[in-house]
Amino acid sequence: GEDVEQSLFLSVREGDSSVINCTYTDSSSTYLYWYKQEPGAGLQLLTYIFSNMDMKQDQRLTVLLNKKDKHLSLRIADTQTGDSAIYFCAEVPLSGTYKYIFGTGTRLKVLA
Amino acid sequence: NAGVMQNPRHLVRRRGQEARLRCSPMKGHSHVYWYRQLPEEGLKFMVYLQKENIIDESGMPKERFSAEFPKEGPSILRIQQVVRGDSAAYFCASSGDRNTEAFFGQGTRLTVV
Repeated sequence: GEDVEQSLFLSVREGDSSVINCTYTDSSSTYLYWYKQEPGAGLQLLTYIFSNMDMKQDQRLTVLLNKKDKHLSLRIADTQTGDSAIYFCAEVPLSGTYKYIFGTGTRLKVLA
Repeated sequence: NAGVMQNPRHLVRRRGQEARLRCSPMKGHSHVYWYRQLPEEGLKFMVYLQKENIIDESGMPKERFSAEFPKEGPSILRIQQVVRGDSAAYFCASSGDRNTEAFFGQGTRLTVV
């Protein structure tokens, strides 16, 4: 099947690190993306990783990719209340590079 | 350089009416994609269009839904005889070609009452 799986909810305290996990399905996926969606808003691209990379760091964001387990994670360091949102991972399969496959989203709640 | 523009942002329709959603791609982009996000779900691919052509409509419901991307003007997603189950956020994305990153619009939130 083409299900990209994410846990539905995550709650962290302000200042802690958040780790959002994603399991994807297609081992031939070329890119894997992380998007942020605030309430009533569109999708904001946060970061992405090529499938030939294991890790990518971008300021407070760290993406880890385990191709063997088809597991992707997004770590947010020093989480702030403004990080509260829904986070989607998306894979881009080699068979259809325009056909992003999105996870169900993880709702991150940051407690002050 | 404006991003992908969708309008309206919010649309309310009664059951049985028609809904027209518009998407203007980023400047220089000729590839447009429509996705639907049902409540509490992720986005699902619906259709991929290039100017005047439908390339892949494998995610589009067979009835009542249609999409076009004319030579001039925005891409239109049209839903005829809307039902409550059509209530969702509809996102448009565009890219310069099919293998490069797609940029998403803010979405149109359709509510069918």
